[in-house]
Amino acid sequence: QSVLTQPPSVSAAPGQKVTISCSGSTSNIGKNSVSWFQQLPGTAPKVLTYADNKRPSAIPDRFSASKSGTSATLDITGLQTGDEADYYCATWDNSLSALVFGGGTKLTVL
Amino acid sequence: QVQLRESGPQVVKSWETLALTCSVSGGAINSYSWNWIRQSAGKGLEWIGRIYSNGNTNYNASLESRVTMSIDTSRRQFSLKLTSVTAADTAMYFCTGRGILTGMHYWGQGALVTVSS
Repeated sequence: QSVLTQPPSVSAAPGQKVTISCSGSTSNIGKNSVSWFQQLPGTAPKVLTYADNKRPSAIPDRFSASKSGTSATLDITGLQTGDEADYYCATWDNSLSALVFGGGTKLTVL
Repeated sequence: QVQLRESGPQVVKSWETLALTCSVSGGAINSYSWNWIRQSAGKGLEWIGRIYSNGNTNYNASLESRVTMSIDTSRRQFSLKLTSVTAADTAMYFCTGRGILTGMHYWGQGALVTVSS
């Protein structure tokens, strides 16, 4: 059971938009910044966003993140087949004194 | 740009000690927390622990009794030791750096460690 809750899977058609949610608590998302990672099959995770909504320069603006209270969301617009991957949210948990992850969401681009 | 590379044995015998080293290039060692994260086949990401350049550590409570992390700032390396391994410790092990002020993450490519009986 992961500390952060993500839907196991989401799907959408190419060109469409998908939103992945990440639900936490006041000890983690409510107090600390959230990061989102994309993991393509057989590769290391890659950071999509960090510090709640900042994006590394190499990441296209199709990927955007936000946070409100104890929940965070990752939006992906203009879906491409190459976006099929597992997506993870992560943040620090003050009660556990640990970096915690969501269980991951598998994105299928139909 | 921070780059990380894991190294160490790919196979460890049951009940022995898993030892991995992460070599860091780029960036200032004291500007990051240095983490170990693992992923079993088909599973999610599990944080093992972190170490700072001053040697301060935090460990995952579920692994704390078996984990030791260390850092050699002069060599720009940090290490993981996990004792008394079992098949459940078979996983891809990633070393990462997280900017203390920025929160930006950098990941190594990962090292697959298999525990054999």
